[in-house]
Amino acid sequence: DAGITQSPRHKVTETGTPVTLRCHQTENHRYMYWYRQDPGHGLRLIHYSYGVKDTDKGEVSDGYSVSRSKTEDFLLTLESATSSQTSVYFCAISEGQGQGSGEQYFGPGTRLTVT
Amino acid sequence: AQSVTQLGSHVSVSEGALVLLRCNYSSSVPPYLFWYVQYPNQGLQLLLKYTSAATLVKGINGFEAEFKKSETSFHLTKPSAHMSDAAEYFCAVSKGGSNYQLIWGAGTKLIIKP
Repeated sequence: DAGITQSPRHKVTETGTPVTLRCHQTENHRYMYWYRQDPGHGLRLIHYSYGVKDTDKGEVSDGYSVSRSKTEDFLLTLESATSSQTSVYFCAISEGQGQGSGEQYFGPGTRLTVT
Repeated sequence: AQSVTQLGSHVSVSEGALVLLRCNYSSSVPPYLFWYVQYPNQGLQLLLKYTSAATLVKGINGFEAEFKKSETSFHLTKPSAHMSDAAEYFCAVSKGGSNYQLIWGAGTKLIIKP
């Protein structure tokens, strides 16, 4: 299994509070991704990173920000959590362009509940 | 725009029966194609991938998929279903010929009847 950990694994927070989720990899892969998974919506890309300090928006980036100061860590921040951000969040990594076929490897997920 | 369509949000088969999960894609360039499996309360796990080396691709747990360019399909099959195959299955295609973003299907939940 790819070495990907997510923390915390579960979190309950109140509306309006900031929340940061962490993804840590030991594979030295270039690309890292944050997805959210909701019933009826499948997987939706929030943000991704293609290198240290290089990030870009996905399809559902509103209300989220990310940072990547080291190759191994990719942080997802909800500046002011809302109930619509209750979801399961997955981190994924990929060797990316020029290396292999672009398959992504997933972390175990973080279940976030905003009350 | 590229897309991936998985036919059937739920598929139910009896234990021992053939499993067939359908995936159709749209892509203007030769794609990379993937099937992932997600067991309850877990992350997604790569089941198999098509990278143009062979049209019939074998994966883990006895699953295989066949790439049919003329039909733009990449259906997942397993000859004999086992109770442990109950999970959600996702098909994905590389975006725009690149290999750093994937377009995801909506997923198909496989139910195994005893």
